[in-house]
Amino acid sequence: DQQVKQNSPSLSVQEGRISILNCDYTNSMFDYFLWYKKYPAEGPTFLISISSIKDKNEDGRFTVFLNKSAKHLSLHIVPSQPGDSAVYFCAATSTQGGSEKLVFGKGMKLTVNP
Amino acid sequence: DTAVSQTPKYLVTQMGNDKSIKCEQNLGHDTMYWYKQDSKKFLKIMFSYNNKELIINETVPNRFSPKSPDKAHLNLHINSLELGDSAVYFCASSRPGQFNEQFFGPGTRLTVL
Repeated sequence: DQQVKQNSPSLSVQEGRISILNCDYTNSMFDYFLWYKKYPAEGPTFLISISSIKDKNEDGRFTVFLNKSAKHLSLHIVPSQPGDSAVYFCAATSTQGGSEKLVFGKGMKLTVNP
Repeated sequence: DTAVSQTPKYLVTQMGNDKSIKCEQNLGHDTMYWYKQDSKKFLKIMFSYNNKELIINETVPNRFSPKSPDKAHLNLHINSLELGDSAVYFCASSRPGQFNEQFFGPGTRLTVL
């Protein structure tokens, strides 16, 4: 069962515009959410995270929004740059229980065109 | 300096063989993980070790056996390889309680023929 869903496999945007990547989750026990970025032939790298006690977290050009009632989060990148072209994974975990297990979505390929 | 390294990067082998993938981290982390990314691109956790002790085992067939000789290494041994084992395997590490800071290795692409 897919507990973390990234329903759009790809997104293409123009350089300088906003990129919005969406993620939905089904497990109400999840209380911490992360975005990872992955370039070809490399491992995922941590990008930004958000706790369920917040609805927004910003880091430079990257902002993550969390809507707990809708079990939905999104990653906004603005302005988008060609170097942002990569696969983005949404991940979620429950901080209760101490298993430190991350559940990943299947990723979304972002292409930023110059 | 490579933080999390895996060897080999590519592994092509026949069904029924036994193979190992090695992972080392030089970050001083206590927790290490193995993930599998299958053909559908899902990245799924297989195992997690904390200070050489198994803490997560995600219903992986017992043909897969992780071995942690010390907290900087977590190797993955796979016996009697099957076609369905073909995937990219990622090793990762983190400090306890800092799961958002999971650092991933570059991956090992395993192809079983």
